[in-house]
Amino acid sequence: GAVVSQHPSWVICKSGTSVKIECRSLDFQATTMFWYRQFPKQSLMLMATSNEGSKATYEQGVEKDKFLINHASLTLSTLTVTSAHPEDSSFYICSASKGGETQYFGPGTRLLVL
Amino acid sequence: EDQVTQSPEALRLQEGESSSLNCSYTVSGLRGLFWYRQDPGKGPEFLFTLYSAGEEKEKERLKATLTKKESFLHITAPKPEDSATYLCAVQAFDSNYQLIWGAGTKLIIKP
Repeated sequence: GAVVSQHPSWVICKSGTSVKIECRSLDFQATTMFWYRQFPKQSLMLMATSNEGSKATYEQGVEKDKFLINHASLTLSTLTVTSAHPEDSSFYICSASKGGETQYFGPGTRLLVL
Repeated sequence: EDQVTQSPEALRLQEGESSSLNCSYTVSGLRGLFWYRQDPGKGPEFLFTLYSAGEEKEKERLKATLTKKESFLHITAPKPEDSATYLCAVQAFDSNYQLIWGAGTKLIIKP
């Protein structure tokens, strides 16, 4: 149990376009979902925390208008990178939590902005 | 300030050579300590959650232990497929369930 999926697994887009990444908890209801960004050979950097039906809480330095997060149901959260630029290229990972403690991670989405 | 330090940064072992990874932490009220395994290009895979000093958990060749200041991940008779980066994270009671991560230990098991 506790399987989390992400889609797409990788995406290439042109600068200025928007990209949506989906995160789904497949076999449990996730009261809280988290979005991370990871640079090569570095640890995970938390971008935002979202609770179902509520607005996401963004970490300091993360632009909420650029990284739109929607947690519309207990099994789905989406991250939309708006007007993507090459510096947004990264590995984006979501996690989901049943009751707030243990986080179960998705496989990640690699974004390349040309 | 809440902090997590993992050592060593990297560890190379021969297949079958047992060893331990260390995770030292300072946190204002520990809710839980978590161990994950991450393979290149993938998301972290959950291994263990430890809640209180003295607690131990085992899974196949891995055993995690916890004291009031640190946690150890013991690897017994490792195999090449155990090669990965092992991440430690802590969660404080007043943290809104956010995790504070260590930098990880890259484990390489040579056949």
